[in-house]
Amino acid sequence: EPEVTQTPSHQVTQMGQEVILRCVPISNHLYFYWYRQILGQKVEFLVSFYNNEISEKSEIFDDQFSVERPDGSNFTLKIRSTKLEDSAMYFCASSERLTATNEKLFFGSGTQLSVL
Amino acid sequence: RKEVEQDPGPFNVPEGATVAFNCTYSNSASQSFFWYRQDCRKEPKLLMSVYSSGNEDGRFTAQLNRASQYISLLIRDSKLSDSATYLCVVNKAGGFKTIFGAGTRLFVKA
Repeated sequence: EPEVTQTPSHQVTQMGQEVILRCVPISNHLYFYWYRQILGQKVEFLVSFYNNEISEKSEIFDDQFSVERPDGSNFTLKIRSTKLEDSAMYFCASSERLTATNEKLFFGSGTQLSVL
Repeated sequence: RKEVEQDPGPFNVPEGATVAFNCTYSNSASQSFFWYRQDCRKEPKLLMSVYSSGNEDGRFTAQLNRASQYISLLIRDSKLSDSATYLCVVNKAGGFKTIFGAGTRLFVKA
């Protein structure tokens, strides 16, 4: 089965530093997403991306976050100035069609971000 | 009220038991519904979509009650490998945002 690939699997950074989390969605998928999961808590939607622009974002996705699809295969999440509370597992996902049409999400295995 | 609400459990059941999970959602405009499974510190994986008519996939049966804004998952003949967290997931009509419940933990014991 095709996979969503995320790198790195673990990222440790100092508070205030910038991090970039990378994802390669499934090649024929059109919709891309970032989610996060703080340890012991639920999976939370951050942002969706379609047709080279943000289609929807949550209140968590503030000005310190940005997403980009720089080259037609990678999909990145940048956190400009990390805070301790940004420590979480970040999941990238993609779907072929809009999930509101019962289309399933394919998740990557996640990047565990630890902010010290 | 939470957008998607689930009993966190844990449910501790013996192998072979039947177990049922429930989920309620608050937005009546919700369009599509799913059950995902998440193993410890792994990514969520789709277990099944949930349709208005109810649907079955092997030992798993999902039901949707739109009037009561309620979704259920029934697992028959539980296996040790069914031990996981089961996530109730909802999308609103025309939306890109998928809302996850906090999950129900299941432990199946030998």
